Parts: sequence; structure tokens; C-alpha cells
Amino acid sequence: DVKVTQSSRYLVKRTGEKVFLECVQDMDHENMFWYRQDPGLGLRLIYFSYDVKMKEKGDIPEGYSVSREKKERFSLILESASTNQTSMYLCASRGWSGANVLTFGAGSRLTVL
Amino acid sequence: AQRVTQPEKLLSVFKGAPVELKCNYSYSGSPELFWYVQYSRQRLQLLLRHISRESIKGFTADLNKGETSFHLKKPFAQEEDSAMYYCALSPSANSGNTPLVFGKGTRLSVIA
Repeated sequence: DVKVTQSSRYLVKRTGEKVFLECVQDMDHENMFWYRQDPGLGLRLIYFSYDVKMKEKGDIPEGYSVSREKKERFSLILESASTNQTSMYLCASRGWSGANVLTFGAGSRLTVL
Repeated sequence: AQRVTQPEKLLSVFKGAPVELKCNYSYSGSPELFWYVQYSRQRLQLLLRHISRESIKGFTADLNKGETSFHLKKPFAQEEDSAMYYCALSPSANSGNTPLVFGKGTRLSVIA
């Protein structure tokens, strides 16, 4: 019954490496989101996409980019990972019709050494 | 700009005691408000939304537009209520492409 799948649950990377975080949803949702979750800071929006090939910056886009080539897949890219990007990353999706509700993935915990 | 404030980072209550997690928002229009919950080792999920006017797992929340608040309440806390709770705001019920704005969260700890 998993509807939003994040490909990597735990990752450990070195400073300067390029990191890809993948998210796939099977609900045919138009909107997809990437958040990072840090203790005391809550959920902060990095990027979102309201349709294929469309993307919008969130509150903290610096150091990140995204890709949405297919409706079901939304990738978060760290071009050159830094230690301050160590965090839990949450992907979410939302459909246009019906409830204005987010469905979240299980999260990807990234550690940058 | 929209803002959601959860004044308590941590709230500890005894089992059976009443619980109130506070949420205040700033928005000039008519927002839709939500409570999301994350139990240990589980994904973040919707608990309730003000439009539904439901009681979920014994929790209720009433939107008070005069006080711009959406506090989450439960009359008798249970140990399984221990979790991280986030209040969130959407500018309207049909926000199309507008993202939700989340508060920083309150960790509820229910002590046996």
C-alpha cells in the first residue's frame, strides 16, 4: 500500500560528492515536494513541482536542484554535498482534485562527512 | 506571508491528562488548517483537517479565526499519542499549486 517511495532510506556521502535522492509516487498526483526535516526547525520546503518539467523554489533552495521528467518521479540533487546538508529529506505528493492533503514518503536520512 | 507558530517544542503530560497542542497562524484570508503527526519510525501523515470537523484518535481541533488559532486537543492522553505533531496551513481549500506552510513542530511525550 506504499504510495510515495523514496529510493534510499539511509545514505552516507563525502563532502563534494553529487547526491541524487529519488522519489516515486503511484497516485497520479500533479504536485510533488521536497522538504528537509531538522530538529527544532520543522519542515522546510526546498523545491516543489506542480507538473511535469515544472519546478518552483521553496524556502531553502540553495545548494539543491530538482528534476521532474515524468509525472511520477521527482528527484532532488545535491550538486556538491556539504556537511550542513546532513538531514532527513522528505518527499511528498498531492493531487489537484479532492482533498488538499499531502502524502509523504518514509524519508531519506543523508549524512555528509 | 503566511506563518504558522507552534510555541512549544516539547510537551510532556501524564497518561489520562488532557492535552492541548497550540498552533497560531498569520494569514489575512481564509486558510485551510491541518495537523500532521509522525509516530516513531513511521512516516509523516495527516491527523486531521479543519474542513472535515472530525475527531481522529480522540483528537479535535477547532479553527478560531478571531484568535487565528487551531489548537489540537484530546481530553485523555494515551501513551500511543507520543509523537511529533506539526500544524500546517494552506491559503485556501483549493490551493492548486500553493505549498503548505508548516510550523516547527511540537513533540508530545505521554508519561505512564
